[in-house]
Amino acid sequence: DQQVKQNSPSLSVQEGRISILNCDYTNSMFDYFLWYKKYPAEGPTFLISISSIKDKNEDGRFTVFLNKSAKHLSLHIVPSQPGDSAVYFCAASAQWSGGTSYGKLTFGQGTILTVHP
Amino acid sequence: KAGVTQTPRYLIKTRGQQVTLSCSPISGHRSVSWYQQTPGQGLQFLFEYFSETQRNKGNFPGRFSGRQFSNSRSEMNVSTLELGDSALYLCASSFRFGGLSGNTIYFGEGSWLTVV
Repeated sequence: DQQVKQNSPSLSVQEGRISILNCDYTNSMFDYFLWYKKYPAEGPTFLISISSIKDKNEDGRFTVFLNKSAKHLSLHIVPSQPGDSAVYFCAASAQWSGGTSYGKLTFGQGTILTVHP
Repeated sequence: KAGVTQTPRYLIKTRGQQVTLSCSPISGHRSVSWYQQTPGQGLQFLFEYFSETQRNKGNFPGRFSGRQFSNSRSEMNVSTLELGDSALYLCASSFRFGGLSGNTIYFGEGSWLTVV
C-alpha cells in the first residue's frame, strides 16, 4: 500500500526555468510533509516542510504547496540550477493526529531531477 | 552545530553474522529513528526511539532491533544477516516536539552494509 506517491520517476528542466515536483498521498492522518534532496550513497538533506495548517511555505528558491482536499503537494524550485540535480523525496508523517507517529516518515519513491546548463 | 553522525560508514559482513550500527543525534534532539534504503523498496521506516523507549516500529522481522541510551545516542542491530539485508541504513534525529510548525527530521550520511 503506497501511501505516498511520486508518479514522475524523472524530470528534466533547463537551467533558470522552474522545476515542479509532485507528490500525492492517501492517508488523511498525515499532517506534516517534508521534501528531501538526496545523492547516491548519502543521507537525505532536508529542504523544506509544510504543516497541514498551511497551504504554502517558502524558503529562498524553494516553495512547497499543499492542497489538502486533493491530498497533493508540490515543490517548486525557481530558478533551477545545475546543482539542484539529484533525487527528490517527498515524505509525510502524522505528528498530531497519529498518536505516537512523530518520528515515522513515509516516503515516496523519489523523482530524479536533472537540470541542464 | 554537528549533524547526525553514523558509524561505520561502510562495512561488509558474511551471511549469518550480526552487525551493530551506531548513531549520534544532533545535540538536543531526543528522538532517533532508523530507515533502510534499498533499490527495490525505497526508504522504509525501521523504528523510532525516544527517551530510551521504542515508540514506533516498522514492518521488519525481529532480527532488526535497536536501543537508545540516556544521552540519546542509538544503536541498531541486525542478527543472522541475510543477503537481502544489504542496504543503506539511515539514522535520523529530531527534537520531537516541534509544535504547530512541525517536527523536522534530519538524516545522517548512512551506513552502507553489504552482506556476502
